[in-house]
Amino acid sequence: KAGVTQTPRYLIKTRGQQVTLSCSPISGHRSVSWYQQTPGQGLQFLFEYFSETQRNKGNFPGRFSGRQFSNSRSEMNVSTLELGDSALYLCASSFEGRGEKLFFGSGTQLSVL
Amino acid sequence: AQSVTQPDIHITVSEGASLELRCNYSYGATPYLFWYVQSPGQGLQLLLKYFSGDTLVQGIKGFEAEFKRSQSSFNLRKPSVHWSDAAEYFCAVGANSNSGYALNFGKGTSLLVTP
Repeated sequence: KAGVTQTPRYLIKTRGQQVTLSCSPISGHRSVSWYQQTPGQGLQFLFEYFSETQRNKGNFPGRFSGRQFSNSRSEMNVSTLELGDSALYLCASSFEGRGEKLFFGSGTQLSVL
Repeated sequence: AQSVTQPDIHITVSEGASLELRCNYSYGATPYLFWYVQSPGQGLQLLLKYFSGDTLVQGIKGFEAEFKRSQSSFNLRKPSVHWSDAAEYFCAVGANSNSGYALNFGKGTSLLVTP
């Protein structure tokens, strides 16, 4: 069974631009969540989607948004990029997102110049 | 609010020596507890998890962890470290709420293994 796939692996953007990251969960998983990882703040929860609905949201500004499609694939979007948005963005999937373990992708490394 | 503390930012051990990584959590009820490992530039791999039952849990790669409710701790141990264990280790607490489920991670402990 294929793991969680995130694309692209690396991204370089400039301030003010927007970016879209993609995540394909493990087949059969309906919950997809996103995390931001930075050296200073560590791993922080962005949001979780289940059956195309955002079910939980972390403490991030509205520039960070996401969506989930009927096939459970998910995208996250960051608008008006800031230097501080440079981070590794990790996607994780699980069957129901109710306490079972999360399977993580390798992440998208975003650099904002 | 739930929180996770990993007191040690860096730990250095010799290959073959034993290892213990500390994790303390703050949560009102019995949480879901996890240990993940991350190699450079990679995602997180689950080592082990605790939901309920036996407080000593076995994981992959020879790791184990013990849940101690009285100390609010979930320390990770390995009797004999291998050079390939060098990585970043994260303790996490998972909690369900009316608004959904999320993992709250500690800041991580970086493990260096010396020959």
